[in-house]
Amino acid sequence: DQQVKQNSPSLSVQEGRISILNCDYTNSMFDYFLWYKKYPAEGPTFLISISSIKDKNEDGRFTVFLNKSAKHLSLHIVPSQPGDSAVYFCAASPGFQKLVFGTGTRLLVSP
Amino acid sequence: DTGVSQNPRHKITKRGQNVTFRCDPISEHNRLYWYRQTLGQGPEFLTYFQNEAQLEKSRLLSDRFSAERPKGSFSTLEIQRTEQGDSAMYLCASSSSDRHEQYFGPGTRLTVT
Repeated sequence: DQQVKQNSPSLSVQEGRISILNCDYTNSMFDYFLWYKKYPAEGPTFLISISSIKDKNEDGRFTVFLNKSAKHLSLHIVPSQPGDSAVYFCAASPGFQKLVFGTGTRLLVSP
Repeated sequence: DTGVSQNPRHKITKRGQNVTFRCDPISEHNRLYWYRQTLGQGPEFLTYFQNEAQLEKSRLLSDRFSAERPKGSFSTLEIQRTEQGDSAMYLCASSSSDRHEQYFGPGTRLTVT
């Protein structure tokens, strides 16, 4: 049972444009959501997070939006840069416990 | 740099052998997590500790797997009688018990031949 889903395995964007990565979840017990970025041969790096009591959180070029009624969240990167090219994982947490990850979206930002 | 460290980074072993991995968390973090990642998948939770207590184990963690955190600092993950299906990246993460954000190490890539 895939509780966290990232339905787009890949996304290509031109440098300077907006990248939008999407994530859906099924478990209503999730109360915190996180995005991680992963380069090859490295562990995931924490990027940004959002509590279920909020609908938006912004940190520099990165903004995460949460739509609880639709059980959907998205990560916006503006403007996209070639160094943003990586695999992005959405993760969810039911309290201060384990993280449940999606399968990832590979972002390619071309110059 | 005082991030999470894992050793070894790579391990190649023959089927049936035992392997042990080590994780050193961020020093002020009291929680330590183990995950496994295979190709095309996100990390999957295996087990976690708060201090030296093992609080949860996934059903993915068969009886061939054992994890310890004897003094509440570093942790070891042992796999006995390895199988080819154990080939994966094993990731360790740490956090404070009052924070959701977990910080990952670089992982140990296990190849079972």
